Amino acid sequence: EAGVAQSPRYKIIEKRQSVAFWCNPISGHATLYWYQQILGQGPKLLIQFQNNGVVDDSQLPKDRFSAERLKGVDSTLKIQPAKLEDSAVYLCASSFPRGGNTGELFFGEGSRLTVL
Amino acid sequence: AQSVAQPEDQVNVAEGNPLTVKCTYSVSGNPYLFWYVQYPNRGLQFLLKYITGDNLVKGSYGFEAEFNKSQTSFHLKKPSALVSDSALYFCAVRDRLGSGNTGKLIFGQGTTLQVKP
Repeated sequence: EAGVAQSPRYKIIEKRQSVAFWCNPISGHATLYWYQQILGQGPKLLIQFQNNGVVDDSQLPKDRFSAERLKGVDSTLKIQPAKLEDSAVYLCASSFPRGGNTGELFFGEGSRLTVL
Repeated sequence: AQSVAQPEDQVNVAEGNPLTVKCTYSVSGNPYLFWYVQYPNRGLQFLLKYITGDNLVKGSYGFEAEFNKSQTSFHLKKPSALVSDSALYFCAVRDRLGSGNTGKLIFGQGTTLQVKP
């Protein structure tokens, strides 16, 4: 079974530039998550999709971050314009809905962003 | 609000010794608890979870965790550490669906495990 795919693995940009990250979840997984992991901290949820609908985007900085999941499969996370504090690893995860939400999340390898 | 705390930034053990990585949680109701491991420049890998039932949960790579409801803890353990266990470990709690919860995973800040030969 193929895992969660993410690209690019690494990206370096200047502040105020834009960047986009792509994620393809495990086939059949209806729920997709984007997490931000700043160095020395645990991952923080940015946005959660169920199929192509947003379930939770309460911690997404909507003035600069956007995400979409057209057709309920792969997803794109965009940052525009980037700030220095956006330097982090952006992790995509997916899960298969199980009763009571007991299933684990499967993570991709992440996209490391450095903003100079 | 649900939360998870990992009180130790780093745990150092000698190879062959038992290891414990601590985790405490705060949730309303019964928790769904998870442990993940992260190797350098890699994503998070699932180790084990507690949903219900036996308080001692066994997972991947010889790890186990003990759920203690009275102490609201879910410590990760291994009887004999390996150098290859050196990594960053995250404890997490998952929202139960309903009452405005969406099932997201909430992580602790992580504990670096260093196993020395």
